[in-house]
Amino acid sequence: AQTVTQSQPEMSVQEAETVTLSCTYDTSESDYYLFWYKQPPSRQMILVIRQEAYKQQNATENRFSVNFQKAAKSFSLKISDSQLGDAAMYFCPPGLYSNYQLIWGAGTKLIIKP
Amino acid sequence: DADVTQTPRNRITKTGKRIMLECSQTKGHDRMYWYRQDPGLGLRLIYYSFDVKDINKGEISDGYSVSRQAQAKFSLSLESAIPNQTALYFCATSEPGTGRENEQFFGPGTRLTVL
Repeated sequence: AQTVTQSQPEMSVQEAETVTLSCTYDTSESDYYLFWYKQPPSRQMILVIRQEAYKQQNATENRFSVNFQKAAKSFSLKISDSQLGDAAMYFCPPGLYSNYQLIWGAGTKLIIKP
Repeated sequence: DADVTQTPRNRITKTGKRIMLECSQTKGHDRMYWYRQDPGLGLRLIYYSFDVKDINKGEISDGYSVSRQAQAKFSLSLESAIPNQTALYFCATSEPGTGRENEQFFGPGTRLTVL
């Protein structure tokens, strides 16, 4: 079975500080992409960052960066200089090449304290 | 701007009623997906379609049916709604061979309540 575990149901951080959200996954496949999506209270699902599993270099996108450890099947998201608009649910689904599906975990709720 | 739209955005219905949720996209993508999201859970795949003639069941297809009327339209039907189908429903699209494989683009969601 292919699963995603986000061990932190809820995280909180002070505005302007840095926070790291953890994600581990289990798949027997070797080719896949990894994504972080955010879902703010508006409920729209928004792509934050993506990582190709064959690439060793960690992806970065402005204040967002990932720490991808393929052997450990770990894919954490670091948010620097947290902003109030970062408050959301965060999901980290792998995308499998074999069936083009995403595997979803329960998500982490991120709270930003002003 | 190319987009994924869903109608209605919110719907309240009664047990036993037939409901159709509609999804349209202007992205020109071949692949379309229907998910449901329950509180405290991630998204679960109901049905997906790789083109107009290719429709596949997902993880939780029981009680649902779909229709791919055109490349741009993918509808989800609840033939006889029941209360445990109360959830947030998302439509998504994707397109292989674009350098953004597996990335899915989501509609705004439909909140369905079955009384």
